Amino acid sequence: DGGITQSPKYLFRKEGQNVTLSCEQNLNHDAMYWYRQDPGQGLRLIYYSQIVNDFQKGDIAEGYSVSREKKESFPLTVTSAQKNPTAFYLCASRREGASANYGYTFGSGTRLTVV
Amino acid sequence: EDKVVQSPLSLVVHEGDTVTLNCSYEVTNFRSLLWYKQEKKAPTFLFMLTSSGIEKKSGRLSSILDKKELFSILNITATQTGDSAVYLCAGGNYGGSQGNLIFGKGTKLSVKP
Repeated sequence: DGGITQSPKYLFRKEGQNVTLSCEQNLNHDAMYWYRQDPGQGLRLIYYSQIVNDFQKGDIAEGYSVSREKKESFPLTVTSAQKNPTAFYLCASRREGASANYGYTFGSGTRLTVV
Repeated sequence: EDKVVQSPLSLVVHEGDTVTLNCSYEVTNFRSLLWYKQEKKAPTFLFMLTSSGIEKKSGRLSSILDKKELFSILNITATQTGDSAVYLCAGGNYGGSQGNLIFGKGTKLSVKP
C-alpha cells in the first residue's frame, strides 16, 4: 500500500541538541511539506519542496532545516536554534494536478518533546 | 497576507445536537476550500469545495462555500461522541510555486453523552 511514513512517533530531545524527523513516501508525489501544530493552533508551514534538490521556506522556518536528495524522502532537522521545539510535526505529500482532496496525503505525525 | 479564520475555536455540545462550524478566508489566487477532521494524529479529509453554493454531503456532515462572502460552513447533524475532534479548514490556491494549503487554527468540538 502506498502512503507516508513518519518516524519516530515520539521523540524526546535535550535542550541544545539537534534532532532529525524522518518522512518517507512511496506515492511518487513530487511535492512534500512539513507542518508544525501546537495545542489550540492549526497547521503552520515550516518548509516545502516541489521537486528534488529544491525547497522553500514556509511561514516558520527559523530554527529548522530540510533536505530533498530523493523524491521519496524529506527529512526535517530541528536545530538548537529553535527556541520552542516541543510540538506535533506533520509531514504531507501532494500529487500535482490532483483534483480530489487537493492531492494531499498526511503522515501520522511525530510528537517532539524537549526535556 | 493569506489567512484562514475559524470560529468558534472550541465548542461543547450534547449528543443529538446540530452544530455549525465557520470558516472565513482570504487567499490569493483562491482555488478550493478544504475541511479536515483531526483526532490526535493525521487530519482526515472531509470535503473539498471549489464552486459556490453547491452543498456537499457525507452522512450527517455537509458543507457549503460562498465565494462572494469568502466563507464556508461545516454542519454536523445529530452529533455523536465519535464526532469529537478538531475540525480544520484550509484554503488552497492555484499552482505554480504555491499549490499549498493555508490552515486555520481549527475548531475543537467536544460532544458529551
